[in-house]
Amino acid sequence: NAGVTQTPKFRVLKTGQSMTLLCAQDMNHEYMYWYRQDPGMGLRLIHYSVGEGTTAKGEVPDGYNVSRLKKQNFLLGLESAAPSQTSVYFCASSYRGRGTEAFFGQGTRLTVV
Amino acid sequence: SQELEQSPQSLIVQEGKNLTINCTSSKTLYGLYWYKQKYGEGLIFLMMLQKGGEEKSHEKITAKLDEKKQQSSLHITASQPSHAGIYLCGADRYNNDMRFGAGTRLTVKP
Repeated sequence: NAGVTQTPKFRVLKTGQSMTLLCAQDMNHEYMYWYRQDPGMGLRLIHYSVGEGTTAKGEVPDGYNVSRLKKQNFLLGLESAAPSQTSVYFCASSYRGRGTEAFFGQGTRLTVV
Repeated sequence: SQELEQSPQSLIVQEGKNLTINCTSSKTLYGLYWYKQKYGEGLIFLMMLQKGGEEKSHEKITAKLDEKKQQSSLHITASQPSHAGIYLCGADRYNNDMRFGAGTRLTVKP
């Protein structure tokens, strides 16, 4: 059982570069989320999806875009990376959102220099 | 300020001591979750509480939900070094997203 898999696990980007983080889940979950974790801030929701083909903004969506073309995958894109986007990114999925536990990936540590 | 306020921010206890972590929501709670995170790793689900007055236990960890006060508490009895980590509370929002508190960093001294 793979659960939630994030790719890559580590990445260093230069300011202005772009990249895509991939989240894949094999549990047939409807809901998927992207969070960032910064010291003292806990987890902050970037974007989420309530099903294939849908996306919605969370608390801190600026500078990020997402796509959910397939139910099992949720992509997070940074079009022009900034040092403020240095963070640990976590993906999560849940069966049907409210009232169901979320399963988390192991995180992607991104550094923008 | 965050929607979910956790206290304390950090906690250092001697092995064997009991401790309590609190989580207070500024908005209506539709469901409250407790997760544990070991340093540098992903989050592990502990418990979910949905009804006022609900109480759940997992090994030596007990969580309660006070719906009226929009608060939850996590209590660890006879702490062990294996309990060390970051504890985060999360809550369902009306629009189906999930928000988290800033976390409580627990250190257990042998």
